[in-house]
Amino acid sequence: DTAVSQTPKYLVTQMGNDKSIKCEQNLGHDTMYWYKQDSKKFLKIMFSYNNKELIINETVPNRFSPKSPDKAHLNLHINSLELGDSAVYFCASSRQGREWGYTFGSGTRLTVV
Amino acid sequence: GENVEQHPSTLSVQEGDSAVIKCTYSDSASNYFPWYKQELGKGPQLIIDIRSNVGEKKDQRIAVTLNKTAKHFSLHITETQPEDSAVYFCAAAKGGSSGDKLTFGTGTRLAVRP
Repeated sequence: DTAVSQTPKYLVTQMGNDKSIKCEQNLGHDTMYWYKQDSKKFLKIMFSYNNKELIINETVPNRFSPKSPDKAHLNLHINSLELGDSAVYFCASSRQGREWGYTFGSGTRLTVV
Repeated sequence: GENVEQHPSTLSVQEGDSAVIKCTYSDSASNYFPWYKQELGKGPQLIIDIRSNVGEKKDQRIAVTLNKTAKHFSLHITETQPEDSAVYFCAAAKGGSSGDKLTFGTGTRLAVRP
């Protein structure tokens, strides 16, 4: 299946831990994103990579570090997790240019206890 | 930066009635306006989009209209069905270059009563 896939789907961890979320797309897109959706369902962009190059870095604590080993993968590593990091994190991808739609993954629900 | 406002936050309609969700945007340079549907436990899914050179676009029971002068766009769902129940997001972007990003509205929770 062609898709954006994220792992894990659920992540429960204690404050202070370090965790990673992985994302892969097989759509041939050249741009990937991380969005955070809070408890009120608000979707806010965190990072964007185009062909492995960081192009968008919103006001995100530097405990969050994205890494793109190739244009099909974008991972998110979070250090020293805090209660406020609890949210659903969505990976998305797109192809810049005329065909300009995002395809989202199914999300990773992170709960920090 | 771009700011997108969306109304209403919740909408309840009877099956078969129409539903309308409205959005306004602030950046006159935005030229791409997609709508996403998010079902429970899933990621947002693109349902329709419109570009600034078009005033209206229709796909079966859903349609989107754009008023560039007023900087607002709307989603219209006709003959609603229970499976239309979901959270709907509008978004705006300049589009076309690698530095672009989608800015989302705050979402509308649509409930279709059978």
